[in-house]
Amino acid sequence: EVPLVESGGGLVKPGGSLRLSCAGSGFIFSNAWMNWVRQAPGKGLEWVGRIKSKPNGGTTDYAAPVKGRFTVSRDDSKSTAYLQMNNLKIEDTAIYYCATGWYLDLWGRGTLVTVSS
Amino acid sequence: EIVLTQSPGTRSLSPGERATLSCRASQSISNNYLAWYQHKPGQAPRLLIYGASSRATGIPDRFSGSGSGTDFTLTISRLDPEDFVVYYCLQYGASPLYTFGQGTKLEIK
Repeated sequence: EVPLVESGGGLVKPGGSLRLSCAGSGFIFSNAWMNWVRQAPGKGLEWVGRIKSKPNGGTTDYAAPVKGRFTVSRDDSKSTAYLQMNNLKIEDTAIYYCATGWYLDLWGRGTLVTVSS
Repeated sequence: EIVLTQSPGTRSLSPGERATLSCRASQSISNNYLAWYQHKPGQAPRLLIYGASSRATGIPDRFSGSGSGTDFTLTISRLDPEDFVVYYCLQYGASPLYTFGQGTKLEIK
């Protein structure tokens, strides 16, 4: 059983929007901090943002390049986290991974987002 | 923001040899909140080490982490052919902003 599965990636034009989903299983999702990390083509890993568990306040934090454009949310009833991406730029092209926990102990296999005209 | 610099960028070694990967921080990492990951192409990254020296569940004991403050090391005592992939360090001490190193690639000599 794969603990985290991302979906929702695809091709979008600059300025467009996309929502990614991350479905969790095999652990207590409502207690998990959920992160998003991306890897642009030929580049390394870059942390994007995080939502804490509701018992820890459910607050969100973002990396500077996406702050104000991306929003992380969660639906614990569906064991799913989301990454809403607005005003997408070409440089947002990447594989997007979700990962649980304070130090990212479990990861999904990622979903590819391509921003191109 | 804490900047992590990994060295070398690429290291050529043979199976059975010992690998030493470095991760240097631009400022001290509080409580040694430093993790290491292994990333194979097309797969999910895998946590190897957290808290600078604690092995994650299921990680073989040939992987070890050490260091404190600004200098950290991942050591692979005897390289298996499957170990020749990319390794990243991550600091999670300057919360809420996490930063990764740029990665070290191990290649077969």
